Amino acid sequence: SQQGEEDPQALSIQEGENATMNCSYKTSINNLQWYRQNSGRGLVHLILIRSNEREKHSGRLRVTLDTSKKSSSLLITASRAADTASYFCATDGTSGSRLTFGEGTQLTVNP
Amino acid sequence: KAGVTQTPRYLIKTRGQQVTLSCSPISGHRSVSWYQQTPGQGLQFLFEYFSETQRNKGNFPGRFSGRQFSNSRSEMNVSTLELGDSALYLCASSAGTGWGNTIYFGEGSWLTVV
Repeated sequence: SQQGEEDPQALSIQEGENATMNCSYKTSINNLQWYRQNSGRGLVHLILIRSNEREKHSGRLRVTLDTSKKSSSLLITASRAADTASYFCATDGTSGSRLTFGEGTQLTVNP
Repeated sequence: KAGVTQTPRYLIKTRGQQVTLSCSPISGHRSVSWYQQTPGQGLQFLFEYFSETQRNKGNFPGRFSGRQFSNSRSEMNVSTLELGDSALYLCASSAGTGWGNTIYFGEGSWLTVV
């Protein structure tokens, strides 16, 4: 079963706009990781944020974590058509190497 | 540095057959995990191996098994295939086991059972 939910399930924006995806989870975590998946391909690691961190940046990506609300958000700034993909959050819990994934957000960036 | 390599990328099997999928982790990584991805169930953890020992196992029937070799390469096997086993099987590796390790995924093996 999935640990949590991503919101929205699908998001369609224009190139240059910002995209925000949210992830909620149910149990206590140590780390949360965000991944991107292009259609039919594997998962590409984007960012790992630890439970004692509140915000992390990587290029055009900004991830926030609110452990009190059991939620995280991924912001992609100045989106590009190449950002079109599914985005997943994954949490660890009782075992660090056992990730529990959300259902993903399908992002479409229109040129 | 090469990423996680999975073979084969695509395969078609008949119900009742068995299949073996292979995974080579990133050089130096000793933990290998396997996940199944289907449209209905999403991404689900199968098992994890570290130093040739199974460390964790997901909620899958015994038809799903795996192993890890001394060079950290891993294989997973599915016996008596069912139509519902059609899925993308993803292998992931990390330097260690436990919390705080970035987990990297391969491109996956697409299995179709007919």
